[in-house]
Amino acid sequence: NAGVTQTPKFRILKIGQSMTLQCTQDMNHNYMYWYRQDPGMGLKLIYYSVGAGITDKGEVPNGYNVSRSTTEDFPLRLELAAPSQTSVYFCASSYFETQYFGPGTRLLVL
Amino acid sequence: RKEVEQDPGPFNVPEGATVAFNCTYSNSASQSFFWYRQDCRKEPKLLMSVYSSGNEDGRFTAQLNRASQYISLLIRDSKLSDSATYLCVVDQETSGSRLTFGEGTQLTVNP
Repeated sequence: NAGVTQTPKFRILKIGQSMTLQCTQDMNHNYMYWYRQDPGMGLKLIYYSVGAGITDKGEVPNGYNVSRSTTEDFPLRLELAAPSQTSVYFCASSYFETQYFGPGTRLLVL
Repeated sequence: RKEVEQDPGPFNVPEGATVAFNCTYSNSASQSFFWYRQDCRKEPKLLMSVYSSGNEDGRFTAQLNRASQYISLLIRDSKLSDSATYLCVVDQETSGSRLTFGEGTQLTVNP
């Protein structure tokens, strides 16, 4: 099993550009999550999903959108990139209590 | 008040030392508690769950005090490989869907 995979690993965006961060898991987990981690800070929940077709906002959803059309995939969309969205983005999935994280996407918005 | 608050750190200890990390949480209805480990520029990984009765995994011991809303992690006989950031994590719900992370405490074990 590959676990949780994320692409791209690193991206530089200009202000106002849009992009989609990809996340795929092969563990057949119903729950999936998107977090952001700013330098020296803890993880903040952006959005989560409890199953295909169901998504909900986390703590910091503004500026982001998600969709969950399949159990495996949970893409995160940034429509109008802003410097405040410079961060490391982690996707995670869980079956019960333990969350398994992907390796992260480092995003720089200039 | 932050939902999950940890010792600010960083901690620098010699090999073989015992080090303790403390964490408090604000929501008395919190259901589950964990310690995650995060290596530099890597993703967090579960270190251990924390149970009311306390639990031990080799050199690591976790304790929970629900009355004080306090969680601790004790590392005995520190190794160089223990150098990492330790994240205190609280689950606000029974389904495991809403984890709240502390900001982490950085540990460096020196030779």
